[in-house]
Amino acid sequence: AQKITQTQPGMFVQEKEAVTLDCTYDTSDPSYGLFWYKQPSSGEMIFLIYQGSYDQQNATEGRYSLNFQKARKSANLVISASQLGDSAMYFCAMRGGGADGLTFGKGTHLIIQP
Amino acid sequence: DADVTQTPRNRITKTGKRIMLECSQTKGHDRMYWYRQDPGLGLRLIYYSFDVKDINKGEISDGYSVSRQAQAKFSLSLESAIPNQTALYFCATSDRTAAPYSNQPQHFGDGTRLSIL
Repeated sequence: AQKITQTQPGMFVQEKEAVTLDCTYDTSDPSYGLFWYKQPSSGEMIFLIYQGSYDQQNATEGRYSLNFQKARKSANLVISASQLGDSAMYFCAMRGGGADGLTFGKGTHLIIQP
Repeated sequence: DADVTQTPRNRITKTGKRIMLECSQTKGHDRMYWYRQDPGLGLRLIYYSFDVKDINKGEISDGYSVSRQAQAKFSLSLESAIPNQTALYFCATSDRTAAPYSNQPQHFGDGTRLSIL
């Protein structure tokens, strides 16, 4: 069975600082994908970034980057130069193990303070 | 217009009622999913469909049924709603034909807030 663990229920960060959101995962499948989604207070789920288990380099998308440490089974999201609009719930998710759906963590509630 | 549209956006109903949540997509994706989100629990997979002839149960399918009426439409039914089915429900799609599939994200609708009294 697959499992995603997000150990930070909530975080407060000053605007313009970098933020690291933690995600660890557990799977016995050698082939898997890791995804991060943002959920603002309005409720929609917004795809941010993806990392594949065989990718040699850490993924980057604009201000988002993924610190992928395969041996430690961690896939932390890094947001550089945080903005007030980054305040939201952030979910780490995984696809793998032959299953097609995503397995989600419980999320981290990020609040950016001015 | 949204690529993945869920109707209704909000619904309040009573215990024992039959409810249908609908999802339609204009992305042309073959795969569709229904998830449920409860506070503090993240999203959990209810059902998913590879095409109109292929329906699969997810982690929490009990009490739910689905219908894939066409490639673009996937509906979720609660035959006899109960209060613990109160949740935010999401429909999502993904494109199995895109390569490599493993890195294709799922695209979510805006969700349906369902309250069962």
